[in-house]
Amino acid sequence: EAGVAQSPRYKIIEKRQSVAFWCNPISGHATLYWYQQILGQGPKLLIQFQNNGVVDDSQLPKDRFSAERLKGVDSTLKIQPAKLEDSAVYLCASSPDRGSYEQYFGPGTRLTVT
Amino acid sequence: LAKTTQPISMDSYEGQEVNITCSHNNIATNDYITWYQQFPSQGPRFIIQGYKTKVTNEVASLFIPADRKSSTLSLPRVSLSDTAVYYCLVGRYNQGGKLIFGQGTELSVKP
Repeated sequence: EAGVAQSPRYKIIEKRQSVAFWCNPISGHATLYWYQQILGQGPKLLIQFQNNGVVDDSQLPKDRFSAERLKGVDSTLKIQPAKLEDSAVYLCASSPDRGSYEQYFGPGTRLTVT
Repeated sequence: LAKTTQPISMDSYEGQEVNITCSHNNIATNDYITWYQQFPSQGPRFIIQGYKTKVTNEVASLFIPADRKSSTLSLPRVSLSDTAVYYCLVGRYNQGGKLIFGQGTELSVKP
C-alpha cells in the first residue's frame, strides 16, 4: 500500500515569510499527526486530528502555526510568519485509529528559515 | 507519562548482537513499551511493542523484566543498514495516549 506522502521535501524561506506543508495519509487512516523534529532531538507532536476534528493541539504555537484537515483526508500545516527557530523537519504520520501505538510516518519536509 | 532514559549513542560491528536498554522507572500499569527506528532523512518507523516478558518479530526482540522498570531492544546480527536512531517510548497509546519521543539512541554499525 502507498505510504504517507508529504510535499515539498525541502523548503528554504526567509524569516517573517509564510510557508505551507501538505500531507496525504495512508488511505483509510482516521488519525493524522503533525510532528516537528529539530536537529538532534526526537519528534514533538504539534497537532493530532481524528477524521477532520482536532484531538490535541496543546503544543502547537497557535500564534503562528495553523493546521487543517478538510474532509478528513489530506492536511495542511502552515506557518505565518516564520521564525529562525522554526527550522526543523516537519513530519506527518497517520494511524488507523486514535491512540494507536503504530503510527506510519512520511519522509518529512525539511524547513530552513534564514 | 513515564519518563524514559536510554544511552545517547552506541557503537557496534557488523554481525554482532546489539542490546539497547531503556529505563522507565515510573511506568504505569496500563502503559505499553514501544520502540521506533529512524534512518537519516526519513520518518520514524515502528519496530516492536510489548507489555511484559518477551516479544519477538522478524526485526527484533523486546525483553521486559517482571517489574517492567526497564526494557531491552535486541537486534540480532546487525548490518551497516541498521545504523539509525532508536527511540524507546512508554505510554497507553491504545487508550488514546500520544507518542512522546525522547532523544533516542544513535546506533552506529561499523564494518
